[in-house]
Amino acid sequence: KNQVEQSPQSLIILEGKNCTLQCNYTVSPFSNLRWYKQDTGRGPVSLTIMTFSENTKSNGRYTATLDADTKQSSLHITASQLSDSASYICVVSGGNNRLAFGKGNQVVVIP
Amino acid sequence: NAGVTQTPKFQVLKTGQSMTLQCAQDMNHEYMSWYRQDPGMGLRLIHYSVGAGITDQGEVPNGYNVSRSTTEDFPLRLLSAAPSQTSVYFCASSYSWRERGVEQFFGPGTRLTVL
Repeated sequence: KNQVEQSPQSLIILEGKNCTLQCNYTVSPFSNLRWYKQDTGRGPVSLTIMTFSENTKSNGRYTATLDADTKQSSLHITASQLSDSASYICVVSGGNNRLAFGKGNQVVVIP
Repeated sequence: NAGVTQTPKFQVLKTGQSMTLQCAQDMNHEYMSWYRQDPGMGLRLIHYSVGAGITDQGEVPNGYNVSRSTTEDFPLRLLSAAPSQTSVYFCASSYSWRERGVEQFFGPGTRLTVL
């Protein structure tokens, strides 16, 4: 069973609208959680990293939240742009420095 | 800095052929790794290296070999390609094994098709 589950698998949103991506994990003990953005045909690029003590972190129009008690994280995209079309990957680092990768949320922004 | 570079960007092989995927980084990172990414699946670790001369297997090592003779380079070898190895391959690096959960830099990927 995958230790990192992301939802929705894919979504289509209108340019200018907001959207929220979910990441639920079972990795324990927990060290940190990172969101990556992967444009089509490119490698993943880090957006944010959150540790146990952090519950919100922003990077421009991207805001990540973390609830370590419920083992949930979300990535909120505000005022989406066409360039936000990408796959967003949640990666959780746990005990013994293990990394668990989610399958990604595929976002398509249409004009 | 160029970061993590990979060559080639695209490759088509016939079953049974061999090839080497190249990966290089100019950040003096100790830790380097290879992942494969398949549709509907997350990134899966193939092999990794915690420093020059040290390599180890990841989650899906079968059919792949690696070596690390320098800090900068970490090539991935397919000895006898199979259609199941059709995938996109990413090389990644971080300052150290321990830092890979904190900051890991990915290359642009190599798209491999095995016929």
